[in-house]
Amino acid sequence: DAKTTQPTSMDCAEGRAANLPCNHSTISGNEYVYWYRQIHSQGPQYIIHGLKNNETNEMASLIITEDRKSSTLILPHATLRDTAVYYCIVSGAGSYQLTFGKGTKLSVIP
Amino acid sequence: GAVVSQHPSRVICKSGTSVKIECRSLDFQATTMFWYRQFPKQSLMLMATSNEGSKATYEQGVEKDKFLINHASLTLSTLTVTSAHPEDSSFYICSADTSERSYNEQFFGPGTRLTVL
Repeated sequence: DAKTTQPTSMDCAEGRAANLPCNHSTISGNEYVYWYRQIHSQGPQYIIHGLKNNETNEMASLIITEDRKSSTLILPHATLRDTAVYYCIVSGAGSYQLTFGKGTKLSVIP
Repeated sequence: GAVVSQHPSRVICKSGTSVKIECRSLDFQATTMFWYRQFPKQSLMLMATSNEGSKATYEQGVEKDKFLINHASLTLSTLTVTSAHPEDSSFYICSADTSERSYNEQFFGPGTRLTVL
């Protein structure tokens, strides 16, 4: 599976959009981009995933660049409950393993 | 959404004892279940992958005789930490995958915090 690079930490003001970047320059054609988050002392929570096209669900939007070498997770209106570590993971369709990196610690500030 | 439970949520045991952690998929059948370990301020590390009815596949460096995994049904997997020692103290998290979709969507349990005295 391709490796990902994320900033160690980010701050976001409550009510503003949180934009979390991820680089995955070695991604291959059949690999998906997944985003999970982990609130302190809980199990990770699935947020969204994408292959080529931008995706949106009730939690977030995922913007994938045309060359697929990077992506951005967008939380449109961050709340204090969105404070968590966000993991960007690249994994192939035929692989059921998720390799967690260090992620980005997002702190939403009142 | 799919729900995965773990029991117990927290356990404290004496060194040398064995501890069993259960992972259940409550509203779906999990063909594949995964066990992770997370030390303080570190990321999740995959320990093993188990498929219902077959032996688990362990990651490099994980002792299969120490961390016994049983995936006896499509809704239950257990992890037994045998002869636990203080260095085994960690946050153990399981996840389950239905394998019904072409993409990988794992549903995670809430985790079990093990403290070995």
